Amino acid sequence: EVQLVESGGGLVQPGQSLTLSCKGSGFTFGDYGTYWFRQAPGKGLEWMTFIRGKAYGGTAEYATSVRGRFTTSRDDSKSVAYLQMSSLKIEDTAVYYCATELRIGSWWTRGKDVWGQGTTVTVSS
Amino acid sequence: DIQMTQSPSFVSASVGDRVTITCRASQGIGNWLAWYQQKPGKAPKLLIYAASNLQSGVPSRFSGSGSGTDFTLTISSLQPEDFATYYCQQADRFPHTFGQGTKLEIK
Repeated sequence: EVQLVESGGGLVQPGQSLTLSCKGSGFTFGDYGTYWFRQAPGKGLEWMTFIRGKAYGGTAEYATSVRGRFTTSRDDSKSVAYLQMSSLKIEDTAVYYCATELRIGSWWTRGKDVWGQGTTVTVSS
Repeated sequence: DIQMTQSPSFVSASVGDRVTITCRASQGIGNWLAWYQQKPGKAPKLLIYAASNLQSGVPSRFSGSGSGTDFTLTISSLQPEDFATYYCQQADRFPHTFGQGTKLEIK
């Protein structure tokens, strides 16, 4: 079964750091880029970051709201992607999801078809 | 950043109704648009990719259309399990922005 599982969420104080993990199984994780999204309580979905698969250089993109504070990385030997979050703010409180992109043959559809269950980050003093 | 505007934000409908949700991009995005369904406490589920392609396993009552800046998601005959929140997302360029969501509730 193709699956993503996030972990690492928790309660932290403003200004602290936290690292989330996204572990893939049932597919060749290194062939796929990994997206991170978040959803604040009662709010809509927000795109955070994307890290490309190894074949595309493993480079990353970031939303303006987190660039310089969040860093995404990957360890394909462990089938894990990471989201390192620093200088956390109260407004970073959200459920964080990772996801991968649907590929049909050689066509990357840009639709995100596999999602994790989400991990909750609460930033509060 | 590309802004995505969904309408309506809220719709009340009955089982069997036909519902259309629209999404407008602030600039042309080709057909790089996806639609997702999200139920409370769950991760989003991909319904439509590349504007009009039905994701495997998604019922054929769901359909998508459009290109450029204007897109629609249509549910031809609402079923009880369709009551959820729906989001469009552009994937033409980063950041892959979402619409604000459309909450579909039972009348």
